[in-house]
Amino acid sequence: EPEVTQTPSHQVTQMGQEVILRCVPISNHLYFYWYRQILGQKVEFLVSFYNNEISEKSEIFDDQFSVERPDGSNFTLKIRSTKLEDSAMYFCATQGVTEAFFGQGTRLTVV
Amino acid sequence: DAKTTQPNSMESNEEEPVHLPCNHSTISGTDYIHWYRQLPSQGPEYVIHGLTSNVNNRMASLAIAEDRKSSTLILHRATLRDAAVYYCILRLGGSQGNLIFGKGTKLSVKP
Repeated sequence: EPEVTQTPSHQVTQMGQEVILRCVPISNHLYFYWYRQILGQKVEFLVSFYNNEISEKSEIFDDQFSVERPDGSNFTLKIRSTKLEDSAMYFCATQGVTEAFFGQGTRLTVV
Repeated sequence: DAKTTQPNSMESNEEEPVHLPCNHSTISGTDYIHWYRQLPSQGPEYVIHGLTSNVNNRMASLAIAEDRKSSTLILHRATLRDAAVYYCILRLGGSQGNLIFGKGTKLSVKP
């Protein structure tokens, strides 16, 4: 069964540092997404990406965040200057014909 | 996307059927009813979806009320592995937009 792969599984970073979270989408999917889930809270949408550009973003996705697909395979989420409140699970997802496929997530801990 | 209402939590015994309800009284004619689940420490996982007719797949069944204002996800024989948070989500047919997660129903399965 096809799967979305995320790396790393766990990232610890100091406040103010930049982090890049990586995702390998399912190969023939065209729509990609990032979601986050703060511990104990709902899964929240961050951004969607199609045809090499952002198609939609939420209020959470401010100027500190960026996404790109630099080499046609990896889909990355960059946080330029991490804050304590960025600590969360970050999920990458891709859209199939009818359903979305989610990765296992990256647990980001900002200290 | 229209709003859904689910109980916060439910309990089941192993190997018994489980009926997870969802109310969506403001559903529009073109909204599909999707169910996802999130196992502990994992990303969300697609379960099933439907429009008007009841649906069955290898994971579950979906029973949709005639007026479409409510639906029920049915797990025919709960296993310990089915313990998860179950999300009922409405999505416009053909949409590639993001999924809007609520708090879902946390299902506990007792041995």
